[in-house]
Amino acid sequence: AQSVAQPEDQVNVAEGNPLTVKCTYSVSGNPYLFWYVQYPNRGLQFLLKYITGDNLVKGSYGFEAEFNKSQTSFHLKKPSALVSDSALYFCAVRDSYSGAGSYQLTFGKGTKLSVIP
Amino acid sequence: DTAVSQTPKYLVTQMGNDKSIKCEQNLGHDTMYWYKQDSKKFLKIMFSYNNKELIINETVPNRFSPKSPDKAHLNLHINSLELGDSAVYFCASSQEWDSNTDTQYFGPGTRLTVL
Repeated sequence: AQSVAQPEDQVNVAEGNPLTVKCTYSVSGNPYLFWYVQYPNRGLQFLLKYITGDNLVKGSYGFEAEFNKSQTSFHLKKPSALVSDSALYFCAVRDSYSGAGSYQLTFGKGTKLSVIP
Repeated sequence: DTAVSQTPKYLVTQMGNDKSIKCEQNLGHDTMYWYKQDSKKFLKIMFSYNNKELIINETVPNRFSPKSPDKAHLNLHINSLELGDSAVYFCASSQEWDSNTDTQYFGPGTRLTVL
């Protein structure tokens, strides 16, 4: 079974400071990991994904995420936070051993990021 | 151009009514999904269709019936609405249903409020 955890309900960071939104996962096979962002009253927007290869994945809006297999983590990062980054961030996972008919994405419960001016 | 669109954006209705939400994607994708986001923002998949055929049907009350007239459209019809159906419903699409690496693209959501 696949699962994903976002241990922080909320992250506060000052504008201009680096930000990290944490995500850990559990899978039986290899993980395929995704980050989405949801701005208030909007749908989810795809930020980036890790499939294979380089552990550091670069995505939209200056975000990047680091895959760490030993720590089963896929933390989202940005070197310098903007007030406009304030939103709800979702981590999601698929397991390579999901089996036929079960390629579902499992989402974390979300982390609310607030960037303080 | 909107990739995945939903109508209506807001839907307020009385208990017991029947309502429909429409979804269209212009990405040329084969697979479409419905998700429910509850008041705590938790996202849960409800249905998945591939080329108009039902692939995933999670434990959703049979008052919810998806319909896919063609692979670019996936509508959600809800009968006998209940208070607990109040949520935001998201449509999504992806190129394939049986790919672990495929990205899902989401619509803007429909906020359903049942009074």
